[in-house]
Amino acid sequence: IAGITQAPTSQILAAGRRMTLRCTQDMRHNAMYWYRQDLGLGLRLIHYSNTAGTTGKGEVPDGYSVSRANTDDFPLTLASAVPSQTSVYFCASSEGQGTHNEQFFGPGTRLTVL
Amino acid sequence: GQNIDQPTEMTATEGAIVQINCTYQTSGFNGLFWYQQHAGEAPTFLSYNVLDGLEEKGRFSSFLSRSKGYSYLLLKELQMKDSASYLCAVGDSNYQLIWGAGTKLIIKP
Repeated sequence: IAGITQAPTSQILAAGRRMTLRCTQDMRHNAMYWYRQDLGLGLRLIHYSNTAGTTGKGEVPDGYSVSRANTDDFPLTLASAVPSQTSVYFCASSEGQGTHNEQFFGPGTRLTVL
Repeated sequence: GQNIDQPTEMTATEGAIVQINCTYQTSGFNGLFWYQQHAGEAPTFLSYNVLDGLEEKGRFSSFLSRSKGYSYLLLKELQMKDSASYLCAVGDSNYQLIWGAGTKLIIKP
């Protein structure tokens, strides 16, 4: 693994189903982030984690949950998917918290909720 | 509220120079980033400004004026591979990045 990986690459999901998007980084970065990107809008922060064992809510956390059991993994779970959660989801990481740290992005997951 | 404004789309000619502007209103300021995003791909880091002035990195330069809430990204000697979206992001008082919607740059031969 080099950098950040995300799985799956894309997914079509029925409304009401539970879904976990996976994110793994091998850079030993402390901070990790989940964003969604929708056409015409900037990236919006869903949840973040400044270090293993801690998480925080971003701008649009409703309907999503995260966990950070270790440094490398930061899964995002949709408990009961709704069509408004159709989006491209990016996981990112940075050396530490604080906006002076460059964020590195995974390749994204394209999720469609029908 | 917090707001980042960038033009939606710009067109330029191969070999020319283009300037992409970004204005921001945020609760606090902790640096400004520019990222490049090719269609269907992840954003990648281009530049970071925290002090006023110009930062030059090869064909790309980024300028910041904190008093005006303004930045620009200058791309010189444009190449076809520079066709992409350019995202402006500002660190707010909570040390989270607030992102603009991005400027789609179209390069014509």
